[in-house]
Amino acid sequence: GENVEQHPSTLSVQEGDSAVIKCTYSDSASNYFPWYKQELGKRPQLIIDIRSNVGEKKDQRIAVTLNKTAKHFSLHITETQPEDSAVYFCAARMDTGRRALTFGSGTRLQVQP
Amino acid sequence: DARVTQTPRDKVTEMGQEVTMRCQPILGHNTVFWYRQTMMQGLELLAYFRNRAPLDDSGMPKDRFSAEMPDATLATLKIQPSEPRDSAVYFCASGLVIGRGSYEQYFGPGTRLTVT
Repeated sequence: GENVEQHPSTLSVQEGDSAVIKCTYSDSASNYFPWYKQELGKRPQLIIDIRSNVGEKKDQRIAVTLNKTAKHFSLHITETQPEDSAVYFCAARMDTGRRALTFGSGTRLQVQP
Repeated sequence: DARVTQTPRDKVTEMGQEVTMRCQPILGHNTVFWYRQTMMQGLELLAYFRNRAPLDDSGMPKDRFSAEMPDATLATLKIQPSEPRDSAVYFCASGLVIGRGSYEQYFGPGTRLTVT
């Protein structure tokens, strides 16, 4: 089955700096890679996803990059703000209806004002 | 703004008691997932259903856990008997799958279970 590793487990940045979280996956058949943000005591929320037919996707201050050859993908947050502080989870799966997501272990991001 | 709902939001119970958690997927979604979240294990998939039929429940301890979908608008997760190690937040998520196509999944607010 799929195995997803996520680094770092904690990340502290100053407001306005960039943050990068990296994930690697094991199953070369995986081709759907979402990122979820979970604020304290709340549900994980989908913030961005990428499919393997593209190498990069952007949404305002958030971008995700994918390297299928190396089997890794990354979340980039630019101009970080205190409200970006949360736990971020990456996930991977084969993009068919019969597979479930495998999640990374999460990264706790702290943005210092 | 359609959302997955879960009840109860918090449950405190004594070891040995039965616990039932309920989930209402987003209307029209045909795939439902149950996850357990702990500090040590992160987000673990327990089971998931497509069109009310179980697709995979290999992540679920079968001796005490059971998951069902009595109808398309209700999924249940039961623990009997409950143990302190079951203390966690249980999330339900749902998605709409058409054929072999792609889908996104959306999480409910979770049920925080504490077994004393």
